[in-house]
Amino acid sequence: NAGVTQTPKFRVLKTGQSMTLLCAQDMNHEYMYWYRQDPGMGLRLIHYSVGEGTTAKGEVPDGYNVSRLKKQNFLLGLESAAPSQTSVYFCASSLDSLNQPQHFGDGTRLSIL
Amino acid sequence: GQNIDQPTEMTATEGAIVQINCTYQTSGFNGLFWYQQHAGEAPTFLSYNVLDGLEEKGRFSSFLSRSKGYSYLLLKELQMKDSASYLCAVRDPGGSYIPTFGRGTSLIVHP
Repeated sequence: NAGVTQTPKFRVLKTGQSMTLLCAQDMNHEYMYWYRQDPGMGLRLIHYSVGEGTTAKGEVPDGYNVSRLKKQNFLLGLESAAPSQTSVYFCASSLDSLNQPQHFGDGTRLSIL
Repeated sequence: GQNIDQPTEMTATEGAIVQINCTYQTSGFNGLFWYQQHAGEAPTFLSYNVLDGLEEKGRFSSFLSRSKGYSYLLLKELQMKDSASYLCAVRDPGGSYIPTFGRGTSLIVHP
């Protein structure tokens, strides 16, 4: 049982480059989330999705875009990477928004030079 | 708005008991989660409280007081493997029920 899988696990980009982070879950969860985690800042919500074809902004959405074309996948895009986007990115999913916990992927460590 | 506070760091001795506090000020409340995160790994679910009182799960217990905007995670019989960050997350109906995380408490257990 894979759970939540993130690819890639590590990436180094130059300022201005673009890339897409992929998140896949095999638990048939409706909700999916993208967070970034920086030292001393905790997990901050970038974007989330409450179902296939839907997306919504979180706390820190600027500079990122997302898509949820299939229920099991949630993509996070950086159109023009900036050094301030150097972070660890976590994807998570949950069955619903009620009392169900979030299941997290192992994270993507992204460095922008 | 939402404000969730946890101590930044705590230390404790193997075999002891430690209490990690979380206070919150949110426009509404619909549940509180605790997660454990070892260094370099993903957060994993520990507990969920929506009603006042104590929930016990083996060595870990979580308490909630909605009137005080307060929760704590109690870890008993500490083991070295309990060294990790502990994250408190609050569900607020004003925030579309999406959990908002505190900054986490780094717990260091020493022999």
